[in-house]
Amino acid sequence: EAGVVQSPRYKIIEKKQPVAFWCNPISGHNTLYWYLQNLGQGPELLIRYENEEAVDDSQLPKDRFSAERLKGVDSTLKIQPAELGDSAVYLCASSFGQGKGNTIYFGEGSWLTVV
Amino acid sequence: AQSVSQHNHHVILSEAASLELGCNYSYGGTVNLFWYVQYPGQHLQLLLKYFSGDPLVKGIKGFEAEFIKSKFSFNLRKPSVQWSDTAEYFCAVNRRGSQGNLIFGKGTKLSVKP
Repeated sequence: EAGVVQSPRYKIIEKKQPVAFWCNPISGHNTLYWYLQNLGQGPELLIRYENEEAVDDSQLPKDRFSAERLKGVDSTLKIQPAELGDSAVYLCASSFGQGKGNTIYFGEGSWLTVV
Repeated sequence: AQSVSQHNHHVILSEAASLELGCNYSYGGTVNLFWYVQYPGQHLQLLLKYFSGDPLVKGIKGFEAEFIKSKFSFNLRKPSVQWSDTAEYFCAVNRRGSQGNLIFGKGTKLSVKP
């Protein structure tokens, strides 16, 4: 079974440029997450989707970050314009349902460097 | 707010040494607990998880963790580490019955010398 797929794996952009990351969750997983991982830190939630609905976006910096999950499957995370401090790994994850069996599976991440 | 503390930033061991990585969380309610591992250049992988029942949980690759409710702890252990265990280890927690939002610790980097 394929895991969570993310692209691109690596991206280098100049500050003030836009960037977008794509995620394809595990088939059948209705919950999708975007996490941010800074160097030397644990992942931090940016946004969580239940199907098409963003049910927790409280940590998403909405002035420059946006996300969408059309049709409740794939998702895109966009940053516009990017700042130097946005250099980090952007992790997509997915899970099925809620409650006891709610193990979250992570993708390999998209490594962003803003110069 | 929930938080997770991992006591050691970097642990260096020789092969065959025993391992214990500390994890404490702050939350007064019922929680689910997880340990994830990230091998160099790879994605986060689930090592083990605790939802309920026996507080001693066994995971993959010989790892185990013990949930001690009175101490708000979920320490990870392995009796004898191998060079291939070199990785970063993350403890995480979410509220029982929540939508699954994981709160992670800062991670502990384990280096095993051959």
